[in-house]
Amino acid sequence: DVVMTQTPPSLSVAIGQSVSISCKSSQSLVYSDGKTYLHWLLQSPGRSPKRLIYQVSNLGSGVPDRFSGTGSQKDFTLKISRVEAEDLGVYYCAQTTHFPYTFGAGTKLELK
Amino acid sequence: EVQLVESGGGLVQPGRSLKLSCLASGFTFSNYGMNWIRQAPGKGLEWVASISSSSSYIYYADTVKGRFTISRDNAKNTLYLQMTSLRSEDTALYYCARPLAYWGQGTLVTVSS
Repeated sequence: DVVMTQTPPSLSVAIGQSVSISCKSSQSLVYSDGKTYLHWLLQSPGRSPKRLIYQVSNLGSGVPDRFSGTGSQKDFTLKISRVEAEDLGVYYCAQTTHFPYTFGAGTKLELK
Repeated sequence: EVQLVESGGGLVQPGRSLKLSCLASGFTFSNYGMNWIRQAPGKGLEWVASISSSSSYIYYADTVKGRFTISRDNAKNTLYLQMTSLRSEDTALYYCARPLAYWGQGTLVTVSS
């Protein structure tokens, strides 16, 4: 199984600050079609997960451009520029290149 | 608007069975593969099973293989998860998802005597 290692496990930030979350996979996430199926999700408190970014760097529908994703192969990063209160919650990276699909353990973003 | 509405959760004794449903609307259900993903209380996300649009391809997590069955009825726009031989560690909020872009609100399954 592909192990997704997400760091840090938690972040304490001030509104307006920028933060980055790292996600490393134990195998390359490049699929046979050449695409990389690495995604970022946000689960706000008491809510279902919401997809922020798909295939490394593509913004999901309605997601503000304060969010950006970069990376390749096995090393990926989510950056949030100018954190807002609505950004608080748990961020997960996820891969759907290989079965079983796997998720990172999550990064909890809290207000300082 | 895409909507996924799960149902069928509840309290069940260990070893018993339960069948979850997910009613889809707002998109052409028969065109998309679908997934079940669960989240134990206070824990992270765990993929459970996937089914292709025409049910030709089905995959399961090792933790549920042989006990759970994913299926779909494209005429009814509904995804199912038949769960048998339930264990306490199956206690979780079960989401259906298409496949990560859209999520339902989840249905809670509690396995306890």
